[in-house]
Formats: sequence, C-alpha cells, structure tokens
Amino acid sequence: GAVVSQHPSRVICKSGTSVKIECRSLDFQATTMFWYRQFPKQSLMLMATSNEGSKATYEQGVEKDKFLINHASLTLSTLTVTSAHPEDSSFYICSARPPTARETQYFGPGTRLLVL
Amino acid sequence: DQQVKQNSPSLSVQEGRISILNCDYTNSMFDYFLWYKKYPAEGPTFLISISSIKDKNEDGRFTVFLNKSAKHLSLHIVPSQPGDSAVYFCAAISSEKLTFGTGTRLTIIP
Repeated sequence: GAVVSQHPSRVICKSGTSVKIECRSLDFQATTMFWYRQFPKQSLMLMATSNEGSKATYEQGVEKDKFLINHASLTLSTLTVTSAHPEDSSFYICSARPPTARETQYFGPGTRLLVL
Repeated sequence: DQQVKQNSPSLSVQEGRISILNCDYTNSMFDYFLWYKKYPAEGPTFLISISSIKDKNEDGRFTVFLNKSAKHLSLHIVPSQPGDSAVYFCAAISSEKLTFGTGTRLTIIP
C-alpha cells in the first residue's frame, strides 16, 4: 500500500509552547490530507480536512486558531498545535487520499503528543 | 452523536475459528464502508471495503457483509490467526469524510 509518514513520532513539550507535526505522502501526490486525533480507548475523530493550496476545513468544535494546518505542497501537510495545554495531549494521525482512489485513505503512523 | 458504533469493545476467538466483528451506523448518506486494523501507537491499516451498492466483498480470509436495511455491516475473518489480534475499526464515508467507529479489540487465543 501507499506510504504516509509523520514526524515526529513522539513529542513532549511544556505548556504554552507550539508544536509542529508533519505529514508526508511518500509515493503519491495528495491533494487532500486529513488530520485526526485519538484519545485513549476512543475512536479516531476527524479534526480537519487539508486541501493543497487552500484553507483547511475544520470540523465543528475544533479551534482553527489553535490547530493551524498548512498544505503547501502535494506531498506535505503540517499541523501546528499553538500554545499547547495538557488537555491537548493526544495521539494525532494524518491520512492522505490518492487522487485515483477517492474512497481510500492511507494513514500515517501517528504522533504522540504529551504536554506537561 | 456517534454515527458509527461498534457495540462490542472486545472479542476473544480461538485460533482457527471464525471472528465476526459487527458495526452499526445511523447515517443513511454513508455510501462506502471500510474496515481498518490498528496496533497501539500506530496508524490504522486498511483491510477491506465495500460500496453501499453491494452486500458482500471478499478478500482472502476477510469478508465484509453489508445489510443496508438494518444499517449493519460485519467483518468475518476465517480462519483466525494470532497475528489478527489488534483493534479493528469500521469506518464510513459520506461527502468524502471518514467517520470511525469506536473499535473492537480482537484477541486470538492460540
């Protein structure tokens, strides 16, 4: 299957700092990428849809000023958690959708964020 | 409002037997359904999918059944193997957005 990478895989930061997470599609160009978060023992929840060259579309209840998404190229989307707080600690996962298989999303390995 | 539900948080099955994972949904606009397998601290891995116009799709040991009238789908794994132990999520697509179920932890007993 297609490969999607995320960096970093794990990050620990102090409260109030900002953290950037990168998501890359390694073997296909993705005009659309998605960002999810998963709390322990819960489902993956869609946070936002990232479209190359345009503004991201955020799901209800997700603060767009807190979770900044940039999709500057067809292979890279970034999620920046601004002024992180302990309640932002979670598992963040991105996915990328290839243009030839619109029903399929390939997921990255996820990023574990711990805010102290 | 949980639009995709997996009512069994866990399931244990003897190796070699059939594993049946169930999923119910409420949104009649979902037009495509998928099953993902997930290990801790990893992203989900795609297993199998089915379009809403079909009622069955088979791929090796995995078969997905869709009952639209009941808004229910199931994943059958046969024969079950120890490597199948993981958390399984069903997911549904509407307007190109993926909605995940709550997951079922499958444990295969050797």
